[in-house]
Amino acid sequence: GIQVEQSPPDLILQEGANSTLRCNFSDSVNNLQWFHQNPWGQLINLFYIPSGTKQNGRLSATTVATERYSLLYISSSQTTDSGVYFCAVEGTYKYIFGTGTRLKVLA
Amino acid sequence: DVKVTQSSRYLVKRTGEKVFLECVQDMDHENMFWYRQDPGLGLRLIYFSYDVKMKEKGDIPEGYSVSREKKERFSLILESASTNQTSMYLCASRRDRENTEAFFGQGTRLTVV
Repeated sequence: GIQVEQSPPDLILQEGANSTLRCNFSDSVNNLQWFHQNPWGQLINLFYIPSGTKQNGRLSATTVATERYSLLYISSSQTTDSGVYFCAVEGTYKYIFGTGTRLKVLA
Repeated sequence: DVKVTQSSRYLVKRTGEKVFLECVQDMDHENMFWYRQDPGLGLRLIYFSYDVKMKEKGDIPEGYSVSREKKERFSLILESASTNQTSMYLCASRRDRENTEAFFGQGTRLTVV
């Protein structure tokens, strides 16, 4: 089946710093999403991005489907950005999740 | 905005009890999913449903069953709860069977004692 790897597994930043999170996947996919899991456990949709680049405020994402990776950029990080970031790719009618990047932003 | 609502945020049940986790979505989505999340194991698919009364096993269906009597509601049933079913349970829905965005509920943290 499709393997999804995220890096780095853990990241600690000072408030205001920028970061790049990476998601590699082992096979062609039709669909990819980025989620932020908040401290209460809810998965919040960040981007639905099968290909190309999207931006939403301080966050942006790029997926290069032909090279099997996606990047999530966080600029001017804030403490509220802390949590776990997951990418998920579509397998056969279901999502396959990476193991996540745990981000902690220090005030 | 799509809203996926899980009936409880926290639940404590005893070993052997029958447990129902309920999930409701308000966007007329065809497809609904139940995942569980465990430290070190990530999110794993338990069951999914692509239509009313239809269900498909995911990667870890053992010990669980599901019910989808109405389009908006997808229930996960633990027939006889065991301590190894202590976990975070996440419900999701999406419009089409593929190539559409998925939306998750707030999660239910179940503890079986």
